[in-house]
Amino acid sequence: GENVEQHPSTLSVQEGDSAVIKCTYSDSASNYFPWYKQELGKRPQLIIDIRSNVGEKKDQRIAVTLNKTAKHFSLHITETQPEDSAVYFCAASRTDSWGKLQFGAGTQVVVTP
Amino acid sequence: DAGVIQSPRHEVTEMGQEVTLRCKPISGHNSLFWYRQTMMRGLELLIYFNNNVPIDDSGMPEDRFSAKMPNASFSTLKIQPSEPRDSAVYFCASRPQGEDYGYTFGSGTRLTVV
Repeated sequence: GENVEQHPSTLSVQEGDSAVIKCTYSDSASNYFPWYKQELGKRPQLIIDIRSNVGEKKDQRIAVTLNKTAKHFSLHITETQPEDSAVYFCAASRTDSWGKLQFGAGTQVVVTP
Repeated sequence: DAGVIQSPRHEVTEMGQEVTLRCKPISGHNSLFWYRQTMMRGLELLIYFNNNVPIDDSGMPEDRFSAKMPNASFSTLKIQPSEPRDSAVYFCASRPQGEDYGYTFGSGTRLTVV
């Protein structure tokens, strides 16, 4: 089955700096890669996703890049703000898996003022 | 749209008791997933349904766990008997038909077994 590895497990950044989280996946048939943000005590929420026919996608201060050849994808947050502090999860799925997502272990991001 | 609705939000029970967690997916979503979240194991997929039919329950940890989806708007996850190691946050999530849609998660049920 699919295995998703996520690094780093914790990330501390100064407000205004950029944060990058990287994930690798094992199943070459995976074609959908969402990212979730989970604030303390709350539900994971979808913040951005990318499909296998696209190499990069941006939404304001967040962007995701995908390298299918190397089987890795990354989340980039620019101009970080204290409200970006949360746990971020990457995930992967394939078309024939009924939408089942395999999640990475998560990255705790702390933005210090 | 009220989103995915889970109940109860918090449950404290004694070891050996039966626990039932409930989930109402978003109307029109035809896939439903039950996850368990702990610090040690992260987000674990327990079971998922498509059009009310269980597709894969290989993540259910033991026979003490069971899940049902009697109709498109309701699912339950039952633990009987409960044990302290079952303490976790249990999330239900749903997604619509078709390729490449992420989940919408419910608010979760925080279960504590003492």
